[in-house]
Amino acid sequence: KAGVTQTPRYLIKTRGQQVTLSCSPISGHRSVSWYQQTPGQGLQFLFEYFSETQRNKGNFPGRFSGRQFSNSRSEMNVSTLELGDSALYLCASTLHRGNDEQFFGPGTRLTVL
Amino acid sequence: GNSVTQMEGPVTLSEEAFLTINCTYTATGYPSLFWYVQYPGEGLQLLLKATKADDKGSNKGFEATYRKETTSFHLEKGSVQVSDSAVYFCALSDQTGANNLFFGTGTRLTVIP
Repeated sequence: KAGVTQTPRYLIKTRGQQVTLSCSPISGHRSVSWYQQTPGQGLQFLFEYFSETQRNKGNFPGRFSGRQFSNSRSEMNVSTLELGDSALYLCASTLHRGNDEQFFGPGTRLTVL
Repeated sequence: GNSVTQMEGPVTLSEEAFLTINCTYTATGYPSLFWYVQYPGEGLQLLLKATKADDKGSNKGFEATYRKETTSFHLEKGSVQVSDSAVYFCALSDQTGANNLFFGTGTRLTVIP
């Protein structure tokens, strides 16, 4: 069974631009969560999607948004990029909501110049 | 609120040495506890988990016991190998059913031959 895939793997943008990251969960998994990893703040939860609905949101500004499609694939969008948005963005999929194991993708490395 | 405090790194050990990485948590209710490992350039992989007090999670020679009285979940391995070099994250998931993990800051382990 294929794992969680994230595209692109690397991305370079400039301040003020917007970016869209994509995550394809493991086949059959319906919940997708997004995390931001930075050296200063560590791993922080962004949001969770299940059945095309945002179920939970972390403490991030409204510039960070996401969505989930009927096939459970998810995208996250960051508008008006800031230097501090440079990070590794990780996506994790779970079979369903609850305390199940989350399977992580390799991440998208975003650099904002 | 929920939080995880993890032993600061980096940790450097010789091959076959004993490993302990301390992890304590603060949570309401009865969280599930996890150890994740991140190898260079990769996403996170679940190493082990425990879902209730006194449970012992184990995998690949690593062990951790859920201690509610001390709110701890320390990671141990009796004999480390060079291939164990990675960053280790302690995490908790609360009982709300949401798929968001609260992570510690991570501990970088380097094992030298």
